[in-house]
Order: sequence, then C-alpha cells, then structure tokens
Amino acid sequence: NAGVTQTPKFQVLKTGQSMTLQCAQDMNHNSMYWYRQDPGMGLRLIYYSASEGTTDKGEVPNGYNVSRLNKREFSLRLESAAPSQTSVYFCASSGDSLQGIQHFGDGTRLSIL
Amino acid sequence: AQSVAQPEDQVNVAEGNPLTVKCTYSVSGNPYLFWYVQYPNRGLQFLLKYITGDNLVKGSYGFEAEFNKSQTSFHLKKPSALVSDSALYFCAVRDMNSGGYQKVTFGTGTKLQVIP
Repeated sequence: NAGVTQTPKFQVLKTGQSMTLQCAQDMNHNSMYWYRQDPGMGLRLIYYSASEGTTDKGEVPNGYNVSRLNKREFSLRLESAAPSQTSVYFCASSGDSLQGIQHFGDGTRLSIL
Repeated sequence: AQSVAQPEDQVNVAEGNPLTVKCTYSVSGNPYLFWYVQYPNRGLQFLLKYITGDNLVKGSYGFEAEFNKSQTSFHLKKPSALVSDSALYFCAVRDMNSGGYQKVTFGTGTKLQVIP
C-alpha cells in the first residue's frame, strides 16, 4: 500500500537550474498539496489542488509552479532555483470524507548551491 | 484567518513519566483539530483528530488530546512516555466552515525528547 510517493528523495541543484518534483497518490484522493518545511517555520503551503484540473496558490507560491496532471499526480516545478528554496518539500493528499486528514509522502530534500 | 501556536520548541520528559505537548488555536468558526507526528527523514503521520463530541480524543500509540473550547487549546498527552515517542509533533487546525478546500494550518512543531 504505497500511499503518497515522492521522487526524487534527494537533489542538489545549482542556482538558476530548473527541476520538477514528482508526487503520486494511489488513494483516489481529490485534494493534493505541496508544502515546504524549514527549521522553526513548520509547514508552509506552496500550492494546492482541490480537484483534478484545478490549482491554487498557497502561502508561499513565488518561484514555483504546479501541474495537476491527473487525479493521481501533482508535480512542483522550480523554474530557476535560488538558495532560498533549499528546503524539504512534502506532498500530501486528502479525500473528501477524511475531514481534513492529510496523508504525506516522505519528502524531497533539496539543496540549492 | 486561522492559526496554531505551539509555544514550546522542545519538551524533555523522562521515560515512564506523563507527557504533555501544548497547542492553542484560533479560528473564526468551529475547529477541526489534528495532531501529527514526524519521525526523522519521514513525512507527517496522522495521530488523532477532534471534530465534535467528547472533549477527550484517543489516538494512535496511546496518545490522547483534550479539547478545551474556552481556552482554545488542544494539548497532546500520554500517561507514560516511551523512548520511541521521541519525534517532532505538529498541531493543526481547519476551520469547519472553510468549504470545499480543506485548508489546514500547521503549527511550527514541538520536538519531544524522551530520556531513558
């Protein structure tokens, strides 16, 4: 039972490079989310998708774009990476009947030099 | 707007002693409240939730949480701490009236260290 799968697990980029973080869930959830986790900051929402075909900005969207490719997959793209985007990125999903309970992947640890 | 505060960055407790991790919240309507746990190099895992009903909620691994509406608090508790409980704990809130989008706001996390 895979749940939420994120790839890659680790990545090092140089400033200005681009990258796409992948996320897939096998629980038939409508809603999917991208968060970043930084020390002392908790989890901050970057983008979310309430259903297939829709995406909306969260708390910290600048420098990121997303694509909800289908119901299963939700990708996060950094077009021109900056050192301030060094973080751990988490994807999560939730179903309509779960009253807000979110299921998380194990994260992508991204370092930008 | 909704918000969550976890006033302690770290809580240290001796193994076998009771533990409490504090959380206070602010929402405009009625809250859904959650606790999650994060182990090193892993994603967050759901522990328990309060939606409505009994103010004392029981969850996974022997944890429980008490909802106090007058104090707008939702503290996480466990009667007897285990070394394996050492992890990062997050409180989260959702406004029950937030509509179709399940926006959840997370606290900054409290590191629980259980000392053998």
